[in-house]
Amino acid sequence: DGGITQSPKYLFRKEGQNVTLSCEQNLNHDAMYWYRQDPGQGLRLIYYSQIVNDFQKGDIAEGYSVSREKKESFPLTVTSAQKNPTAFYLCASSLAREAGELFFGEGSRLTVL
Amino acid sequence: GENVEQHPSTLSVQEGDSAVIKCTYSDSASNYFPWYKQELGKRPQLIIDIRSNVGEKKDQRIAVTLNKTAKHFSLHITETQPEDSAVYFCAASSRGYSTLTFGKGTMLLVSP
Repeated sequence: DGGITQSPKYLFRKEGQNVTLSCEQNLNHDAMYWYRQDPGQGLRLIYYSQIVNDFQKGDIAEGYSVSREKKESFPLTVTSAQKNPTAFYLCASSLAREAGELFFGEGSRLTVL
Repeated sequence: GENVEQHPSTLSVQEGDSAVIKCTYSDSASNYFPWYKQELGKRPQLIIDIRSNVGEKKDQRIAVTLNKTAKHFSLHITETQPEDSAVYFCAASSRGYSTLTFGKGTMLLVSP
């Protein structure tokens, strides 16, 4: 079954802890993205990667880090430097490097206590 | 960078009525404009998109129109049904066409 898998679906962490959200795709897509969704704020781009071993900052990259060591995987680390990490995080992929249809995962809801 | 404004933020209609959601964008170089639907607790999914060389595109009850001169595009849903209730996001291509910038979303409620 092809698609994008995010894990975990729900995550609770204490302040000051780093957390890593997993995103895996088996669609053979070149590009992958991380968006943050907050109520009334739409989807805001955190990081994106168009090719293995390369990634670029989005609009709200501060306090986040990513890696793209494999085409299929694009994990996101929410560091302790992120001032307001509680949010819903969506991973997406697209076939080509140019803007096209995004295929989203089911999301990960992070709550920092 | 690209900025996308979306209106209204909420829209309530009666079943069978039409619904219109409007978006404006700032970057005249943008050339791809998709619309996503996100049902409660689910992932966003593409429902229709349009590229800058086309003025209008239809798919059954859904249509999108684009006015490049005015830098705005709209989603039209006719004969609305309760299952159309969801949050709708518009987006525009950005960063040299490699990413999408999204509007803040419109919550559409269709009452039976």
